[in-house]
Amino acid sequence: QSALTQPPSVSAAPGQKVTISCSGRSSNIGNNYVSWYQQLPGTAPKLLIYGNDRRPSGIPDRFSGSKSGTSATLGITGLQTGDEADYYCGTWDSSLSAGVFGTGTKVTVL
Amino acid sequence: EVQLLESGGGFVQPGGSLTLSCAASGFTFSSYAMSWVRQAPGKGLEWVSRISTSGGGTFYTDSVKGRFTISRDNSRNTLYLQMNSLRAEDTAVYYCAKEVDLVATIDWGQGTLVTVSS
Repeated sequence: QSALTQPPSVSAAPGQKVTISCSGRSSNIGNNYVSWYQQLPGTAPKLLIYGNDRRPSGIPDRFSGSKSGTSATLGITGLQTGDEADYYCGTWDSSLSAGVFGTGTKVTVL
Repeated sequence: EVQLLESGGGFVQPGGSLTLSCAASGFTFSSYAMSWVRQAPGKGLEWVSRISTSGGGTFYTDSVKGRFTISRDNSRNTLYLQMNSLRAEDTAVYYCAKEVDLVATIDWGQGTLVTVSS
């Protein structure tokens, strides 16, 4: 199963904004909700966004999600050193009847 | 507090079998679909399998179809992953996770390491 495509890395200074793209196809992102996860080193992933743009309880509004066509985007504003982590998108693929994750993006705070 | 506790990982030779368990507590287990997600050392997340609330619907990534079986016992609040014909490429930390939507897993276990090697 092909993974969703994400940039390997993005970086910005503290307080700035970063965006992470997630590219798929009509069978996955195009017709299903997208989720986003943060994974700090040595820990389990944490759900940041689900349903394209919904935040679970406790997730600050610095994190936002959007979707357009077969692509999705995670935005992080007011970047903090604690945001340094790997970020993954995920969705369902209706053709495969299976889940699929993105290739992952490492966020570095300069 | 939601808790998901995986067990059953370990070292196994290629072609061998293992069964992973995930003991759930702190929520109504039977009301949530559950998933297994794995992560090979130094690699990204890979979705493995999903089971519906009743257990009647199961889904797998292509690379494990016919080899892995997901199941659940709602009376014991436990999720399982039976893994047969294991390959070196199955080496990973396996996480069980509670879904709020398809591939939207809001609670995760700590993971259990499966190492397949001769």
